[in-house]
Amino acid sequence: EIVLTQSPGTLSLSPGERATLSCRASQSLGSSFLAWYQQKPGQPPRLLIYGASSRAAGIPDRFSGSGSGTDFTLTISRLEPEDFALYYCQQYETSPPFSFGQGTKLEIK
Amino acid sequence: QVQLVQSGAEVKRPGASVKISCKASGYTFAIYYLHWVRQAPGQGLEWMGIINPSGGSTTYSEKFQDRVTLTRDASTSTVYMELSSLGPEDTAVYYCARGTGYSDYWGQGTLVTVSS
Repeated sequence: EIVLTQSPGTLSLSPGERATLSCRASQSLGSSFLAWYQQKPGQPPRLLIYGASSRAAGIPDRFSGSGSGTDFTLTISRLEPEDFALYYCQQYETSPPFSFGQGTKLEIK
Repeated sequence: QVQLVQSGAEVKRPGASVKISCKASGYTFAIYYLHWVRQAPGQGLEWMGIINPSGGSTTYSEKFQDRVTLTRDASTSTVYMELSSLGPEDTAVYYCARGTGYSDYWGQGTLVTVSS
C-alpha cells in the first residue's frame, strides 16, 4: 500500500501570502495519479487538482499543483480568506487502495 | 446537475451492522465508479472501497475487507455500503464519492454513531 505523508501538519499564513503544501509518496506514482482536495468544517471534500497538475472545474487559477514521482506540491499563490481550510492529497496509482495523506491545516496567522 | 444524496444519520449499538445508501442523479450511473470514504471525528479521510456500478465488481481496503459490503441497484441508481460488527471506533461520517480514481463529486455524508 502506498503511504502519503503531508507536510507541514499546520501552516499559519496571512491573506495575500503564498502557501506551499507538500505531499510525499512512499513509492513512485508513475503516472502522476495524485489529487488534492480542500475540506471545510461540516462539508465533504472538494476536488481541487487531479493528475498532479490539472485544475478541476471551477477552481480558481490561484491553485496550482506540481510534482512527479514521489514529491508533489499544492501552491496557492495569494491566499483569500476562504482558502483557510484542511487540504488532503490522494493517490490513485493503478489499483486500490486509493490512500489519502493525513492532511495539512491551513490557518490564519 | 450531478448529485449524490446519502441516507440519514444512524445510531447503532456495538456489534450491530449499518447500511447506508447513496443515490446518484444527473449523470449516467453506469459510467463512473463510486468510492466510500470515512472520516472519524477530528480525523482525516480513510478510503474504504470502490464499486463499479456497471457490473457490480468491488475492491475493498484490507482494513475493512472482512466487514464491508458494497452493492448497487442499477434500477434506482443507488449504491449501498454495509458495515458489520460495529465498534465505537466506527463512529464517523461516511461519504460516497464519484470517480474511477480521484473523486469529483461527493455525497453530503452520513454520520454513524456507535454507542451502547
